[in-house]
Amino acid sequence: GEDVEQSLFLSVREGDSSVINCTYTDSSSTYLYWYKQEPGAGLQLLTYIFSNMDMKQDQRLTVLLNKKDKHLSLRIADTQTGDSAIYFCAEPYGQNFVFGPGTRLSVLP
Amino acid sequence: DSGVTQTPKHLITATGQRVTLRCSPRSGDLSVYWYQQSLDQGLQFLIQYYNGEERAKGNILERFSAQQFPDLHSELNLSSLELGDSALYFCASSVAIGRAMDTQYFGPGTRLTVL
Repeated sequence: GEDVEQSLFLSVREGDSSVINCTYTDSSSTYLYWYKQEPGAGLQLLTYIFSNMDMKQDQRLTVLLNKKDKHLSLRIADTQTGDSAIYFCAEPYGQNFVFGPGTRLSVLP
Repeated sequence: DSGVTQTPKHLITATGQRVTLRCSPRSGDLSVYWYQQSLDQGLQFLIQYYNGEERAKGNILERFSAQQFPDLHSELNLSSLELGDSALYFCASSVAIGRAMDTQYFGPGTRLTVL
């Protein structure tokens, strides 16, 4: 089956940039997704990137895609305490998604 | 607010019991997905329904079952509950079958605690 990997923890200081990395396995994935899960809440779609793109920017979020290495990253500029959450990358698999284990981002004051 | 609703928010029950979790998808969405999130297993896909029919099965135990009703709401039934079934159960919905561009929208989840 498909396997999506992420590092489990990341700590940054408020105002710094955060970079969350993900590796995926299916090179034919057409879209790749980032979801955010705040404490006690469900997963919220943050952004996605189409596989023919290398980069997508959306306000403080930048998604970088390296198809050759099957590597996806999410950069959050000027990280705020409200960005503290678990971030999941996901890729389509059949009629469903495969989610990574999630990266817990802690933002220190 | 994703538009997906789940009830109840919390559920506490005992081993051996049976519970039913309910999900209402976003208006217009035909597909419903169920996931289990636990500390040691991460987010695990359980089952998917599209317009009332089962479409995909993941790591769903035989003690668990689900259905999607004509009004498109879905129920996940968990029986003979064990301590290890304690987890967050999420429902998600999407417009169609789950093609790559059909984004899944998640509900707030039901936290199940089995004592």
